[in-house]
Amino acid sequence: NAGVMQNPRHLVRRRGQEARLRCSPMKGHSHVYWYRQLPEEGLKFMVYLQKENIIDESGMPKERFSAEFPKEGPSILRIQQVVRGDSAAYFCASSHDPGTEAFFGQGTRLTVV
Amino acid sequence: GEDVEQSLFLSVREGDSSVINCTYTDSSSTYLYWYKQEPGAGLQLLTYIFSNMDMKQDQRLTVLLNKKDKHLSLRIADTQTGDSAIYFCAEVGSGNTGKLIFGQGTTLQVKP
Repeated sequence: NAGVMQNPRHLVRRRGQEARLRCSPMKGHSHVYWYRQLPEEGLKFMVYLQKENIIDESGMPKERFSAEFPKEGPSILRIQQVVRGDSAAYFCASSHDPGTEAFFGQGTRLTVV
Repeated sequence: GEDVEQSLFLSVREGDSSVINCTYTDSSSTYLYWYKQEPGAGLQLLTYIFSNMDMKQDQRLTVLLNKKDKHLSLRIADTQTGDSAIYFCAEVGSGNTGKLIFGQGTTLQVKP
């Protein structure tokens, strides 16, 4: 049973480009969470999704950021027109039910140059 | 609002015990977690404790929970150099969605 898979592990984008981060949850998990870790800081919650639904996006920046978790395929975190301040590690976690143990992926480290 | 606070740095000698402290604000949290992050890696769940427990022991790890003071600690016995990492405590946020509220992380440095 593979763990939570995130790709790419490292992503470099120029200012103004789009970044697409992918997360495949553990088998049997239908709850996905995205977190952002800025340098030297803890993880901050961004968004919680179930299949085809955004349940809680209270941590998402109002502009340029969007997330989806389609019926088939991985969850996608999309950042449009990236800026230097978007440089961070983005972690995905999945769980079988909300509030039960969440398993984290290895993260995608985004660098905006 | 929800907030989790940790001290930022702890240095110990190999073989000593390490105690990492954490305070949280949401008294309704049902679970409290400790995660370990090694450089460049993801988060590894170390242990967790139910809010109706005072203590949980798992091999070299002991978690103590003081609900009255909203204080959580992680004790690592016989600390090894491989324990050097960043340790995060986390509480389950409000709203029953399972989102986690993390502290800033405590960097544990183990000296040989």
